[in-house]
Amino acid sequence: NAGVTQTPKFRILKIGQSMTLQCAQDMNHNYMYWYRQDPGMGLKLIYYSVGAGITDKGEVPNGYNVSRSTTEDFPLRLELAAPSQTSVYFCASRLSGSYRTDTQYFGPGTRLTVL
Amino acid sequence: QKEVEQNSGPLSVPEGAIASLNCTYSDRVSQSFFWYRQYSGKSPELIMSIYSNGDKEDGRFTAQLNKASQYVSLLIRDSQPSDSATYLCAGGGDKIIFGKGTRLHILP
Repeated sequence: NAGVTQTPKFRILKIGQSMTLQCAQDMNHNYMYWYRQDPGMGLKLIYYSVGAGITDKGEVPNGYNVSRSTTEDFPLRLELAAPSQTSVYFCASRLSGSYRTDTQYFGPGTRLTVL
Repeated sequence: QKEVEQNSGPLSVPEGAIASLNCTYSDRVSQSFFWYRQYSGKSPELIMSIYSNGDKEDGRFTAQLNKASQYVSLLIRDSQPSDSATYLCAGGGDKIIFGKGTRLHILP
């Protein structure tokens, strides 16, 4: 299993540009998450999904959109990039439904800079 | 707004000693709690999850949960220099919220 994969690893955007961060998992996990981590800070939840076709806002959703058409994929869309969106973005997947199997695994991250 | 609070540290512990990391949370309905380790420039890696009151042990790590006090902790026994990292506490139900993390430094 590849686990959680994210592309790209690095990206530089100009203010106002748009892009999609890709996230995929091959563990058949039902839950998926997008977090951002600013330097020296913890992770802030952007959006999450409890299954295909279901998404919900996290702590910092403004400026982002998501979709979940399949169990495997959970892309994050930035429509009009702003310098405040410069951060490292982590995708995570989680198998939930039983306390014995509740685990959350992270992808390697995407480092995004908006200039 | 749900919150997870951690002391940012740094926490310095001599090699071989016990490191104690603490976390409090504001949401009484939170069901699942996780401890992660994060090395600089890397993604978080899961150390342990805990759901029931009491202790859960895995090797050198012990997680403790007290739902009445809304408190979760992580003990690291026989601390090693390789344990030097940032430790993230997280909790919630469907929505998993993270604390800011505690930097741990193991002194050789």
